[in-house]
Amino acid sequence: TQLLEQSPQFLSIQEGENLTVYCNSSSVFSSLQWYRQEPGEGPVLLVTVVTGGEVKKLKRLTFQFGDARKDSSLHITAAQPGDTGLYLCGFRLLLNRDDKIIFGKGTRLHILP
Amino acid sequence: EAGVVQSPRYKIIEKKQPVAFWCNPISGHNTLYWYRQNLGQGPELLIRYENEEAVDDSQLPKDRFSAERLKGVDSTLKIQPAELGDSAVYLCASSLEHHPLYEQYFGPGTRLTVT
Repeated sequence: TQLLEQSPQFLSIQEGENLTVYCNSSSVFSSLQWYRQEPGEGPVLLVTVVTGGEVKKLKRLTFQFGDARKDSSLHITAAQPGDTGLYLCGFRLLLNRDDKIIFGKGTRLHILP
Repeated sequence: EAGVVQSPRYKIIEKKQPVAFWCNPISGHNTLYWYRQNLGQGPELLIRYENEEAVDDSQLPKDRFSAERLKGVDSTLKIQPAELGDSAVYLCASSLEHHPLYEQYFGPGTRLTVT
């Protein structure tokens, strides 16, 4: 079973529409991260959420960390073709000698012009 | 400042052939990671280096995979012999240090196709 479940897996919407994608888990996290990966590129960190209930905004992107720190959402307002890509949520495991990011499977977003 | 550089960007080989990937991390970054990203999945860590020391290779299939980071800068990841299931994107990432304050920066990856 995946530690981080992302939904939906695929989303194709028209330019100008709003959308929300989700990252859920049964585990409690000290923080969660969101990345965007464009075709042919590596993931790029968008934001790290740390506090339960926290909301962070990055232009038209709004990230929320659940109160119980088990889930997170990404809301995009007025989507644009440039938002197309794979959105990954991840948890950076830093414990003893461990240091790695555990990713969900991602949501593949396609914005139609 | 240049980001993480990887080469080649694409590689197509037949099964049972060897293949090698190269990574040049961001200058001054002590920690280097190799991840593998299968189609439709998120990246998964294969190995992590602190300078020239491999401190976590627990997820590296050691029967056919090997890696090195001589002089604690560039790194190579090798597969010998390759199998069909090795087709994936191999991502290299680097971080200033092994610390939560320091972000991991990813390279563009090498897309491997084994036929």
